[in-house]
Amino acid sequence: DSGVTQTPKHLITATGQRVTLRCSPRSGDLSVYWYQQSLDQGLQFLIQYYNGEERAKGNILERFSAQQFPDLHSELNLSSLELGDSALYFCASSVEDRNYEQYFGPGTRLTVT
Amino acid sequence: SQQGEEDPQALSIQEGENATMNCSYKTSINNLQWYRQNSGRGLVHLILIRSNEREKHSGRLRVTLDTSKKSSSLLITASRAADTASYFCATDATGGGNKLTFGTGTQLKVEL
Repeated sequence: DSGVTQTPKHLITATGQRVTLRCSPRSGDLSVYWYQQSLDQGLQFLIQYYNGEERAKGNILERFSAQQFPDLHSELNLSSLELGDSALYFCASSVEDRNYEQYFGPGTRLTVT
Repeated sequence: SQQGEEDPQALSIQEGENATMNCSYKTSINNLQWYRQNSGRGLVHLILIRSNEREKHSGRLRVTLDTSKKSSSLLITASRAADTASYFCATDATGGGNKLTFGTGTQLKVEL
């Protein structure tokens, strides 16, 4: 158990819908990262927050957004869902914003039908 | 894009044997991390090696880093059936803001 929690574990929804994935980092970790894992793209970095501020952005679609709240939990919002958004979404956290281990949560499996 | 390329893509060995996986990457890095993933589950952090380190050990794991060749290797000694999983290297590129870029992974199968 990494100490990073993610909810829900599974999500099945229809195209065009909007969903919110939630992540709680390890106690004391200030940085939160979101990654997407799909069969065709592998593991891809989406976005990073550090102490409430956006720090880095990867291949995140405009339909996707995220935020980190004052209690350091983070939410990833996915809207206008398409079939291709079906994937495992991981949250990770680290103590600081650079050069430290990232610990991953169990992931949320999103299926868009 | 995938910065790291693991080799081999798949590896099948007998319990008790050693398993070696290699990772090559393209840019300068702050550190390189190895993760394990059991079939569709979460990623388990195994070890981090920084760019100024050449070798690191953790239990049955030994990681080497050669920044001149932009490559790393993960050795698992005395493998067990429970080591069956996919192994990924991930690089934290210099100036990359601590985001990790993952390789394609090596699927390891340890047979009894």
